[in-house]
Amino acid sequence: ILNVEQSPQSLHVQEGDSTNFTCSFPSSNFYALHWYRWETAKSPEALFVMTLNGDEKKKGRISATLNTKEGYSYLYIKGSQPEDSATYLCASPLSGGGADGLTFGKGTHLIIQP
Amino acid sequence: DGGITQSPKYLFRKEGQNVTLSCEQNLNHDAMYWYRQDPGQGLRLIYYSQIVNDFQKGDIAEGYSVSREKKESFPLTVTSAQKNPTAFYLCASSIADRAGQPQHFGDGTRLSIL
Repeated sequence: ILNVEQSPQSLHVQEGDSTNFTCSFPSSNFYALHWYRWETAKSPEALFVMTLNGDEKKKGRISATLNTKEGYSYLYIKGSQPEDSATYLCASPLSGGGADGLTFGKGTHLIIQP
Repeated sequence: DGGITQSPKYLFRKEGQNVTLSCEQNLNHDAMYWYRQDPGQGLRLIYYSQIVNDFQKGDIAEGYSVSREKKESFPLTVTSAQKNPTAFYLCASSIADRAGQPQHFGDGTRLSIL
């Protein structure tokens, strides 16, 4: 079983401020790192899937970086808005085969305060 | 619209009873997954299927069973052997060719014990 850790567990951020949080994972046998956003009463939505060391991906005000050698990924949100309030999950697959299921962290619960 | 449909949204089980959670997808994905969420825990993998008529146990398969008779459908049965079935259950699907494919999730089923 992989050990995927996320920190912090929860985060309160003022609207307009930027923020970031961390996902750590085993650096050995790395295949990919997934980020999902899970809003209340909705289903988890994929943000990024990152596979290469040094990868940096961006989607609007949200971006992510990946360091596979040291086993961590950062998710950044620039200029937080109320609609960014959600739980952000990271996950790593059990193998490189593409269909072996994911091991998830416990998530970072982000609350944007107006 | 393409997506994943889980039903029912809420389900109640009596002691000693088996119940089946439905998951249907029209995304033409080969791979399907079942996860369970408990308070304070990350999503945990119950079963997954890479192709029709084939499935594998995940981290917490005891007390559950699945079938994959059609590409579109991956029902999960919670048997009476599952001693702590109260949880939120999520079904997901993905393209199965490599680890860099995101998973697409349904809206979930919340199971409670009467």
